[in-house]
Amino acid sequence: GAVVSQHPSRVICKSGTSVKIECRSLDFQATTMFWYRQFPKQSLMLMATSNEGSKATYEQGVEKDKFLINHASLTLSTLTVTSAHPEDSSFYICSARGGPLSVNYGYTFGSGTRLTVV
Amino acid sequence: AQSVTQLGSHVSVSEGALVLLRCNYSSSVPPYLFWYVQYPNQGLQLLLKYTTGATLVKGINGFEAEFKKSETSFHLTKPSAHMSDAAEYFCAVTFSNTGKLIFGQGTTLQVKP
Repeated sequence: GAVVSQHPSRVICKSGTSVKIECRSLDFQATTMFWYRQFPKQSLMLMATSNEGSKATYEQGVEKDKFLINHASLTLSTLTVTSAHPEDSSFYICSARGGPLSVNYGYTFGSGTRLTVV
Repeated sequence: AQSVTQLGSHVSVSEGALVLLRCNYSSSVPPYLFWYVQYPNQGLQLLLKYTTGATLVKGINGFEAEFKKSETSFHLTKPSAHMSDAAEYFCAVTFSNTGKLIFGQGTTLQVKP
């Protein structure tokens, strides 16, 4: 089955530094990847949609200069949180769509990254 | 506007009892509907999905859901709850014209022994 690997699973960083989160589709080509943010006890909030080789489309209210998304290949998308602050602490989850699963609107999720900014 | 609503942020059942988690959607175009389960500090696991065809969909772990267009609903059920079913459940919807997956608010399922 389709597998999406997200790394790291946990990261603690100092305020003002940048953190990169990777999302890889291991056995299929992900034409589209989605990045979500989830606050404790809340639902997933879509941050942006990225298509391979093109600029990401950000949802309203999401700062594109703060959350840099790169989707340079069909198997890798990265989310970089720049100049992180404590309020950026959250659980970030990626999702990939593509390959045979896309025929039936399949979405595969990564295992998430717990970011803590101190 | 296209949206999905889960009625009840918290549902508690006894082990062996029926599980019913409610989901309603709002859409002007045909929806594609999903139920996901999330365990603490983990990603989402697909339970089942409806795209086209049979409106009663069977998923993993004994869960099933029925797409009712007239009621704009996609409720999740399981005849007999297990302790291992305790988790967060999300209903999600996407539409052919956007591809975005929109999530409901989530329902925490508690299973009491």
